[in-house]
Amino acid sequence: GQQLNQSPQSMFIQEGEDVSMNCTSSSIFNTWLWYKQDPGEGPVLLIALYKAGELTSNGRLTAQFGITRKDSFLNISASIPSDVGIYFCAGPNFNAGGTSYGKLTFGQGTILTVHP
Amino acid sequence: GAVVSQHPSRVICKSGTSVKIECRSLDFQATTMFWYRQFPKQSLMLMATSNEGSKATYEQGVEKDKFLINHASLTLSTLTVTSAHPEDSSFYICSAVPRRLTEAFFGQGTRLTVV
Repeated sequence: GQQLNQSPQSMFIQEGEDVSMNCTSSSIFNTWLWYKQDPGEGPVLLIALYKAGELTSNGRLTAQFGITRKDSFLNISASIPSDVGIYFCAGPNFNAGGTSYGKLTFGQGTILTVHP
Repeated sequence: GAVVSQHPSRVICKSGTSVKIECRSLDFQATTMFWYRQFPKQSLMLMATSNEGSKATYEQGVEKDKFLINHASLTLSTLTVTSAHPEDSSFYICSAVPRRLTEAFFGQGTRLTVV
């Protein structure tokens, strides 16, 4: 089945530092999604990418859809304490009828800790 | 924006009892909703796809008689954990995709503790 390999598994950084995490897949995805999950909450969508090579920003966050369509990265610049949480990449599953956008495959997650 | 509401956020139940978790799309209709399970510091694992007006589709290894899913309306799906055991303790999360969009929106999650 489809799998997403996300790295690093965890990061411990100082406030103000930049952060980079990435996801790779053995199969092609036509959409890449990046979510953040706060403790005890559901994931919240940060950035959605739809086109190979696309580079999209959302405030201090920047994400890119790899040109091979098999990878994506997320960067966070000038981290702040509220950036703490788990970050997931995700892509829609494929089925016999096409792509099912709601049915997602998730990466393993990157646990981010920011020290003040 | 698209809002998905999940209730309750936390529930503690005794072994052998059943627990119902609700997932509502507040400002859009969802013919399909999804139920995930998450263990501490791990990723989300898809349990089943909830289809309005028809039977749910379960992922391999998920017991359909254990985790009953009902999608009676375009805005509500329920997950019932039947005859709960301590190993069913987990974080359960639902999601839905509004029409004309491709991104999934998630509920707040339900922390189930079976004692």
